Amino acid sequence: QQQVKQSPQSLIVQKGGISIINCAYENTAFDYFPWYQQFPGKGPALLIAIRPDVSEKKEGRFTISFNKSAKQFSLHIMDSQPGDSATYFCAPESGGSYIPTFGRGTSLIVHP
Amino acid sequence: KAGVTQTPRYLIKTRGQQVTLSCSPISGHRSVSWYQQTPGQGLQFLFEYFSETQRNKGNFPGRFSGRQFSNSRSEMNVSTLELGDSALYLCASSLGDSSGNTIYFGEGSWLTVV
Repeated sequence: QQQVKQSPQSLIVQKGGISIINCAYENTAFDYFPWYQQFPGKGPALLIAIRPDVSEKKEGRFTISFNKSAKQFSLHIMDSQPGDSATYFCAPESGGSYIPTFGRGTSLIVHP
Repeated sequence: KAGVTQTPRYLIKTRGQQVTLSCSPISGHRSVSWYQQTPGQGLQFLFEYFSETQRNKGNFPGRFSGRQFSNSRSEMNVSTLELGDSALYLCASSLGDSSGNTIYFGEGSWLTVV
């Protein structure tokens, strides 16, 4: 059973455009919703995260939107830059496990 | 402060052999977890150790094992290697004492089984 469904699998946008990646989950025990960014040859790194008590969090060009009733959260990258080209993972976590459940990843390419 | 360090970075092994990978977590972190990353399966959780005890385990066969030492350093071992074990093995560390602790990944160990 796939607990976390991430879409799209790949995404190509032009520089300056908006990139949107979605994550749907089934486990209602998840209480922490991070997004990780991974560049080729590197390990994933935490990009931005949200708790379920808020519906949106913004850090610079990156925004998480959270919809608890729909069990979905998304990552929005505004003014996308070529340097944002990477693989992005949603990885919700529940307090009892301490272990994130990773989505399959989204490969983002931003054309200059 | 120093990040998560994994050694070796690259290695090639033959089917049937075994391999040991090492991970040094960030100082003060007591949780160390291991992941296997492949193009087809994405990031799959292997196991997590906290204060020298395995606290969580993923769905991998018994050929995959690990341990954690008193200084929080961790090793994972894969015995009787198969071609399908070729992957990037990532180690991650965190404080491990509550949900939402930031998890820091190393750069991984690239294993090729021939």
